[in-house]
Amino acid sequence: QSVLTQPPSVSGAPGQRVTISCTGSSFNFGAGYDVHWYQQLPGTAPKLLISGNKNRPSGVPDRFSGFKSGTSASLAITGLQADDEADYYCQSYDSRLSGFYVFGTGTKVTVL
Amino acid sequence: QVQLVQSGTEVKKPGASVKVSCMTSGYTFSSYGISWVRQAPGQGLEWVGWINAYNGNTNYAQKVQGRVTMTTDTSTSTAYMELRSLRSDDTAIYYCARVPGAMIAFDPWGQGTLVTVSS
Repeated sequence: QSVLTQPPSVSGAPGQRVTISCTGSSFNFGAGYDVHWYQQLPGTAPKLLISGNKNRPSGVPDRFSGFKSGTSASLAITGLQADDEADYYCQSYDSRLSGFYVFGTGTKVTVL
Repeated sequence: QVQLVQSGTEVKKPGASVKVSCMTSGYTFSSYGISWVRQAPGQGLEWVGWINAYNGNTNYAQKVQGRVTMTTDTSTSTAYMELRSLRSDDTAIYYCARVPGAMIAFDPWGQGTLVTVSS
């Protein structure tokens, strides 16, 4: 079971803005650990989209932005495009578990 | 460029073992860690474990603790994940990913290896 909660799905028309929330706790985001976001296009491996809460790797359009505050984080996509249709996952570190890393439950973005 | 290339599809019977490889190139292997992540059919991402390619230190998810072993071969810049006593719920695509350090994002990822456990 994941300790980071995301909405199962969000949708928007081309050109619109959508946001994906990722809710954590005092053991991950609230403890100061960063959030990272990944995009997984159908049938492909995940790809890093946002690192360290808000940093875009080279090649990621500035239509994607990340934000973290307290025990929550969010990913915003502006100017929604058809090829943004994918699954999106947040990820962080959780000090409560015997392991290191945790992923969010995942959000399917549908472009209407 | 940095690349992680994984071994091919595996089909195993319950109780068997599987060993998946992740061959890397384009960077200094021992300067990074490798994490393994799996994705069951139609499900989300689940972290399986991590290995420090410099000193071999490992950390495994509680769910697979005792059944998984992660190793590296620095001579070939390859990481391995062995999972034993396979069960049907181990059926998943297994991904390796490069990890620069603790709490740092995974980038890039391998293409994935489908492991099917079925009698």
